[in-house]
Amino acid sequence: GAGVSQSPRYKVAKRGQDVALRCDPISGHVSLFWYQQALGQGPEFLTYFQNEAQLDKSGLPSDRFFAERPEGSVSTLKIQRTQQEDSAVYLCASSQTGNSGNTIYFGEGSWLTVV
Amino acid sequence: TQLLEQSPQFLSIQEGENLTVYCNSSSVFSSLQWYRQEPGEGPVLLVTVVTGGEVKKLKRLTFQFGDARKDSSLHITAAQPGDTGLYLCAGGSAGGTSYGKLTFGQGTILTVHP
Repeated sequence: GAGVSQSPRYKVAKRGQDVALRCDPISGHVSLFWYQQALGQGPEFLTYFQNEAQLDKSGLPSDRFFAERPEGSVSTLKIQRTQQEDSAVYLCASSQTGNSGNTIYFGEGSWLTVV
Repeated sequence: TQLLEQSPQFLSIQEGENLTVYCNSSSVFSSLQWYRQEPGEGPVLLVTVVTGGEVKKLKRLTFQFGDARKDSSLHITAAQPGDTGLYLCAGGSAGGTSYGKLTFGQGTILTVHP
């Protein structure tokens, strides 16, 4: 597709359940980012990949959160033992290179509700 | 920790009015970006400013980056109902491992009434 694609768009998980969120970046984009957006707030940085290398994971809120991009294209954000405070929109974004000034394109997000 | 304070948080105006949204920080950013986000969608980039004092115009939207690269403003002239949405400012860091680690403000929800 032409844009960043995320799936599932909507996920309801029971507390304690594991979830996996998928991101298909724009084809050929080197950089990939995950952000978390709580209701009524701006997005908050979670992690950054350049190709398959995870260069920054300083925003991951706990060790229950894990992200991977094994082949440098598709990425998965996994949340183990979900808790209610994990309810948020998880946004994936990509850009062509790792250079400042490159436009970062966001996907539509995966809406996670933990009940 | 870098923080961006965005104001106002809510703005409700009539069509044809002008408005300004402010984005302030005590930190210096290498770039400042403005995004617009529609409900159920991801943020869409409107503009990037990188030079202190820089002014960019995009039709009825004027963006300014402060001289010290700590603050920015978005001014909309003659607002239209189609301008309704969430406006987000985001500060960018330089390249390397900090690239793409945007610090977002909390957003301004703009409603323009016909």
